[in-house]
Amino acid sequence: NAGVTQTPKFRVLKTGQSMTLLCAQDMNHEYMYWYRQDPGMGLRLIHYSVGEGTTAKGEVPDGYNVSRLKKQNFLLGLESAAPSQTSVYFCASSYTTGYTEAFFGQGTRLTVV
Amino acid sequence: QKEVEQDPGPLSVPEGAIVSLNCTYSNSAFQYFMWYRQYSRKGPELLMYTYSSGNKEDGRFTAQVDKSSKYISLFIRDSQPSDSATYLCAMGNAGGTSYGKLTFGQGTILTVHP
Repeated sequence: NAGVTQTPKFRVLKTGQSMTLLCAQDMNHEYMYWYRQDPGMGLRLIHYSVGEGTTAKGEVPDGYNVSRLKKQNFLLGLESAAPSQTSVYFCASSYTTGYTEAFFGQGTRLTVV
Repeated sequence: QKEVEQDPGPLSVPEGAIVSLNCTYSNSAFQYFMWYRQYSRKGPELLMYTYSSGNKEDGRFTAQVDKSSKYISLFIRDSQPSDSATYLCAMGNAGGTSYGKLTFGQGTILTVHP
């Protein structure tokens, strides 16, 4: 049981390049989330999904797109990376009802130069 | 103003001390309150969870929620060097489209030195 797995763990991009971050969970969770973590800002929600085929915007969605084609996977895309997107990205998943503990992946450290 | 405010610290205490970590919030719709612990270069992991007002104890950890004051606390008794981490408060409600989403504080960096 791996929990939540993020790929890749590290990446350096040049301004204007694109990339996709992959999140996979094996807990059969309906809800999945992408957060970014910056110093002094805590965790901020980028996009989330309440089920396969659905996505919704979070607090800081600009510059990012997401897709949830399969229940276990949630992809975060950067179409044209900017230095302001340098951050640590965390994926999380949770149950749908009652107690909604979020289980987090190990994070992806992204640097845009 | 942020929905959830948390003193970022850093907080440095000697081993064995009692640690108090706090968050204030402005959204009265929040119903469940969590504390996550995050070790360096790792993802956050759930430490404590409480629903509505009251206290909850788990070993050396006690979580308190005062909804009337919009204030939550985490107490760590007999702190250990292994408690050194960033502690994040998180809150959410179960209503409508907000269901399942958490709002996090900025995190408090704690160091417990031997």
